[in-house]
Amino acid sequence: DTGVSQNPRHKITKRGQNVTFRCDPISEHNRLYWYRQTLGQGPEFLTYFQNEAQLEKSRLLSDRFSAERPKGSFSTLEIQRTEQGDSAMYLCASSLLSRVDSPLHFGNGTRLTVT
Amino acid sequence: RKEVEQDPGPFNVPEGATVAFNCTYSNSASQSFFWYRQDCRKEPKLLMSVYSSGNEDGRFTAQLNRASQYISLLIRDSKLSDSATYLCVVRWGGGSQGNLIFGKGTKLSVKP
Repeated sequence: DTGVSQNPRHKITKRGQNVTFRCDPISEHNRLYWYRQTLGQGPEFLTYFQNEAQLEKSRLLSDRFSAERPKGSFSTLEIQRTEQGDSAMYLCASSLLSRVDSPLHFGNGTRLTVT
Repeated sequence: RKEVEQDPGPFNVPEGATVAFNCTYSNSASQSFFWYRQDCRKEPKLLMSVYSSGNEDGRFTAQLNRASQYISLLIRDSKLSDSATYLCVVRWGGGSQGNLIFGKGTKLSVKP
């Protein structure tokens, strides 16, 4: 399966700990997006990359969140000093910048629980 | 005004019914629009893109009204398997730039 891969699938951590998630996009896709989703809500935009460049970061994202895509392939999302409000599903998606309406392909997500 | 707004539902309809979902967006510069479908505890998946002239894919029809900044999705002859949450998605900006903003989704439940 050459779809978008996210690891880990589940993460339980204690408040105050740091966590890091990984996303491997579809290999030829140059755009990579991170979203967060809580129950009953649509995916909330966090940030996106075009190749290795981080083009946009949500104003809602605190300084505790950082994302990287160092070689324009996989990406990591780190949350420092986790809080209970960070508990959510973290979704990664990739797309190919080839025409205007290129759709997103999502991974299965990483479910974070902060206790 | 919220960026992308949808009626959250739930819409409870019998099999065979026709159901329509609406979505409004606040950025007049937006040029790309999509409907995604999300099943319970699964990732969103593209249902269809929305083109200016409107487009149809089997039982599904999408319409765009740029003047009113309004998108719709019509599902005819509803099937049990159509039960899911339908997400309206707008690319926030002109052309291929800008991130993709999701609405909160409209939940559809098709009953036998």
